[in-house]
Amino acid sequence: GQQLNQSPQSMFIQEGEDVSMNCTSSSIFNTWLWYKQDPGEGPVLLIALYKAGELTSNGRLTAQFGITRKDSFLNISASIPSDVGIYFCAGQLHTGNQFYFGTGTSLTVIP
Amino acid sequence: NAGVTQTPKFRILKIGQSMTLQCTQDMNHNYMYWYRQDPGMGLKLIYYSVGAGITDKGEVPNGYNVSRSTTEDFPLRLELAAPSQTSVYFCASSYPSRGSLYTEAFFGQGTRLTVV
Repeated sequence: GQQLNQSPQSMFIQEGEDVSMNCTSSSIFNTWLWYKQDPGEGPVLLIALYKAGELTSNGRLTAQFGITRKDSFLNISASIPSDVGIYFCAGQLHTGNQFYFGTGTSLTVIP
Repeated sequence: NAGVTQTPKFRILKIGQSMTLQCTQDMNHNYMYWYRQDPGMGLKLIYYSVGAGITDKGEVPNGYNVSRSTTEDFPLRLELAAPSQTSVYFCASSYPSRGSLYTEAFFGQGTRLTVV
């Protein structure tokens, strides 16, 4: 299967700080998704990206589809305690029905 | 609107037992999927379906079976449970949009399975 490398693996930040995380692949993807997972829950979609170079925002979250189509970035501005959770990237190859998930970035926000 | 519903939420199985994980969605989505999530790992696709009567293998299908007799339901069957199948299982559904094969999967809350 495809390997998506997500970094960092974990982050501990102060409330109010900005957060950046990224996801890279050796393959070209035609769609990137970013999900957040709270403990004991299923992942919830945050942002979907469909075109290389696309920059999309959802409130304090901004994600970008990398120009090379092999990476994607997620930024969270002015973090708050409810941002705590695990963030997953997922990519879809330009052919096929599967999405491949990264290993996740665990975010802890210290009040 | 219930979305994607999985049952049971928790289950302990003995080695060699069998069980079916249930998944149903009320969003009339064509696409449905089963993933497993191991500790500290991302989600691995087990099986997926693009419509009633159509199923296909994902990355890690061994030891599992699925069926899709209706649009709403997509059960996952474990025939001979093994400790390696201890995991959290997520069902998801989606619909094709913007020309992509599938996007914006909606997930259930998961089934935590332990095989002892």
